[in-house]
Amino acid sequence: NAGVTQTPKFRVLKTGQSMTLLCAQDMNHEYMYWYRQDPGMGLRLIHYSVGEGTTAKGEVPDGYNVSRLKKQNFLLGLESAAPSQTSVYFCATYGGGTVQPQHFGDGTRLSIL
Amino acid sequence: AQKITQTQPGMFVQEKEAVTLDCTYDTSDQSYGLFWYKQPSSGEMIFLIYQGSYDEQNATEGRYSLNFQKARKSANLVISASQLGDSAMYFCAMRERGSQGNLIFGKGTKLSVKP
Repeated sequence: NAGVTQTPKFRVLKTGQSMTLLCAQDMNHEYMYWYRQDPGMGLRLIHYSVGEGTTAKGEVPDGYNVSRLKKQNFLLGLESAAPSQTSVYFCATYGGGTVQPQHFGDGTRLSIL
Repeated sequence: AQKITQTQPGMFVQEKEAVTLDCTYDTSDQSYGLFWYKQPSSGEMIFLIYQGSYDEQNATEGRYSLNFQKARKSANLVISASQLGDSAMYFCAMRERGSQGNLIFGKGTKLSVKP
């Protein structure tokens, strides 16, 4: 039972390149989230989805796009990478309910040169 | 204004001693939940403990307990009998009602356990 799987784990890009980060879950959760983690900043929400076919903006959405074509997958895209997007990206899922936590993937470390 | 404040960027504790990590929050909602996560140096986010705003008892999970003071809007994490493996970043987070499951995170506290 893999839980939440992020692909890739590491990536180095040049400024202006594009890429897609994949989050796949086998927990049958409706809600999925993308965060970025920067030193001293905690985790900040980029985009999220409350179900297949839905997406919404979080706290820091600029420069990113997302898609949720299938319930189990949530994709995060960078159309034209910038050095300011160098960060660790986390995907999380949530099945609903008051006491349930979010479940996180292991993160993707992305460097933009 | 920050919704989750963790005022201790870094802390040290001696092995086998107890340590308290501070978390204060700001919300006008009556219904909310508070979460603590641990992030070891390997990077994964590990859920530790949950406290609901209507819970009358402080939450406990093994060596972790939550000192919940609703009137002061604080939800401090207490780790008893610290172990070397407790060295990590610790994040406090809040979920408000109607937030579609979204969590608001504090900036974290780095705990170092000394042998």
